[in-house]
Amino acid sequence: NAGVTQTPKFQVLKTGQSMTLQCAQDMNHNSMYWYRQDPGMGLRLIYYSASEGTTDKGEVPNGYNVSRLNKREFSLRLESAAPSQTSVYFCASSEGRADSYEQYFGPGTRLTVT
Amino acid sequence: AQSVTQLDSHVSVSEGTPVLLRCNYSSSYSPSLFWYVQHPNKGLQLLLKYTSAATLVKGINGFEAEFKKSETSFHLTKPSAHMSDAAEYFCVVSAGKLVFGAGTILRVKS
Repeated sequence: NAGVTQTPKFQVLKTGQSMTLQCAQDMNHNSMYWYRQDPGMGLRLIYYSASEGTTDKGEVPNGYNVSRLNKREFSLRLESAAPSQTSVYFCASSEGRADSYEQYFGPGTRLTVT
Repeated sequence: AQSVTQLDSHVSVSEGTPVLLRCNYSSSYSPSLFWYVQHPNKGLQLLLKYTSAATLVKGINGFEAEFKKSETSFHLTKPSAHMSDAAEYFCVVSAGKLVFGAGTILRVKS
């Protein structure tokens, strides 16, 4: 099993460009998450999907959109990138609710917006 | 609302000596608490979790944490540090969604 995979691993964008970060899991998990990690701030939840067909905002959703394409895949889209979105992005999945089930993390995507 | 405070941003220990990483939490009701570890350029991995069973929780790689409700603390310990323990550690509180602490970077000196 590959676990949680993310593409791309690295990306550089110019301000105003758009892109989609892809995430897939092969563990048949119901819940999936997108986080961003910034130095000294831990991980902050951008969006999550408790189950296929549902998505909800997290702590920092502004400037992002998500799609739960099917049970395996959960993508994160930046419509018009800004320098403040320079960060490391992690996708995660869990069998059920985050407070009861372990979250499994992907290796991350390092995004730089110039 | 929930919050979590990791009291040290950096901890440095010598190999073979004990490790203590401190975490205090705030929650309006009984929380679930977790410790995750992140090795350089990797994703996060669960070390251990507390979900209102035993207050002393044992995790992987010899780590353990004690839930102390009276002190609202969930400190992470290990009796003897190993070089491979060098990483960043996150204390996490949850009631539905996870709230991460800012992280503690553990350095292990040989």
